[in-house]
Amino acid sequence: KAGVTQTPRYLIKTRGQQVTLSCSPISGHRSVSWYQQTPGQGLQFLFEYFSETQRNKGNFPGRFSGRQFSNSRSEMNVSTLELGDSALYLCASSLARGYGNTIYFGEGSWLTVV
Amino acid sequence: GESVGLHLPTLSVQEGDNSIINCAYSNSASDYFIWYKQESGKGPQFIIDIRSNMDKRQGQRVTVLLNKTVKHLSLQIAATQPGDSAVYFCAENLGGTGNQFYFGTGTSLTVIP
Repeated sequence: KAGVTQTPRYLIKTRGQQVTLSCSPISGHRSVSWYQQTPGQGLQFLFEYFSETQRNKGNFPGRFSGRQFSNSRSEMNVSTLELGDSALYLCASSLARGYGNTIYFGEGSWLTVV
Repeated sequence: GESVGLHLPTLSVQEGDNSIINCAYSNSASDYFIWYKQESGKGPQFIIDIRSNMDKRQGQRVTVLLNKTVKHLSLQIAATQPGDSAVYFCAENLGGTGNQFYFGTGTSLTVIP
C-alpha cells in the first residue's frame, strides 16, 4: 500500500509569491492534516480536512489555506510568501477522525523562500 | 522578534544498550499519544501509540509507558541499533479535536557503534 505522497519535494520561491503544495493520502484515508516544521518552532498543526471540509485550524495567518477534493487529495496554499515561511511542510493522513486515529506522514515538501 | 531555535535534548547510547526517551506532555485532557521517529530529510515515521486507558504498550523492540498522574510518556528501545539514530517525537491528541496533534520538541538519539 502506497504511503502519503507529497509533491513537490523541494521548491524555492521568492518573497511575495504564492505556492501550492499537494498531498495524496494513503488509499482509503479520508482525513488529511497539514503541519509546518521549522527549527525554531518545531512541528505545528496548520489545519485538518475531512470530507472536503476544514475541521480544525491552527494558529496561522489567513495566508495559509487549504482544500480537500472528493478523492481525499488535498492541497495547501501559502500566499504572499515571507522569509519565515521557509519550512518543511508535512501532510498526514488518517482513516477517520476521533479518538485514537493514527496519523501517518508523508516525506514533506521543503519550501525555501528567498 | 527573532526566533530562537528549539533546544533539542540529545541522547547517546552504545549499540546493544537499551534507550529511554522521555516526554512531558502538556494537557491532562490528552487521551491519545503517538511516538514518531524522524530521520534526517524524511517525514516522521509512526513507531507506537497508546491510549489514555492504558499505561503500557509493547511493540517490536519498543515499549511506551504512560503516567497520567505526572503527564509523562516514555519510549524504551531495546537493544538499540545504529539504524535507530534519529529524532524522536511524542505527540498528544486532545479528545474532541479530531486529528490535531501537539508535538514535543523531540529528542535526538545517536547510537554509537
